[in-house]
Amino acid sequence: DIQMTQSPSSLSASLGDRVTITCRASQSISTYLNWYQQKPGKAPKLLIYAASSLQSGVPSSFSGSGSGTDFTLTISSLQPEDFATYYCQQSYSTPRTFGQGTKVEIK
Amino acid sequence: QVQLQESGPGLVKPSETLSLTCTVSGASISSYFWTWIRQPAGKGLEWIGRIYTSGTTNYNPSLKSRVTMSVDTSKNQLSLKLSSVTAADTALYYCAREDTTSRPLDVWGQGTTVTVSS
Repeated sequence: DIQMTQSPSSLSASLGDRVTITCRASQSISTYLNWYQQKPGKAPKLLIYAASSLQSGVPSSFSGSGSGTDFTLTISSLQPEDFATYYCQQSYSTPRTFGQGTKVEIK
Repeated sequence: QVQLQESGPGLVKPSETLSLTCTVSGASISSYFWTWIRQPAGKGLEWIGRIYTSGTTNYNPSLKSRVTMSVDTSKNQLSLKLSSVTAADTALYYCAREDTTSRPLDVWGQGTTVTVSS
């Protein structure tokens, strides 16, 4: 199985801050990397697919980059609705695997 | 607009079989992979497996011996069966659609909670 490791596990940030979350795969996954946002009591929502493609309807403040084993999700200016938990997921091979999540909290 | 709705018993006894259904509305289930994911309370996401509308399946090796997935194209429904459940199978269970090109999970159901307890 491909292991996905996110860092940090949690972070505190202020409104307007630039936030970066990192995801590392245990082997190369090309650009088969997706990012999801999950708010309490809700299903995850797709933000970024194929490492850097923005899902329709997602604000352009979200961006993704990377290939191979190292990937980042960036929120350019944190908004109140962005406080949530973020997961990366590899779709290179089965079983699909997720990172452990990064909780973004208000400072 | 595609919508997914999970349903099934919220309480299952230990050693019994968990059975869930996911009903897809707003689009045909043909030509997609359909995935089951679970999330224990306060924890992360675990991929259980997926099924293509042809019936081809891929299961998580950690659950493979206990999982069966099926699809009913006439009803636009998927099903998940997990046998010999224990308390460790208590979780929120989601179904989701996997896009076949870039392969993200682009549509999710709201999830259904299953508790394993006697």
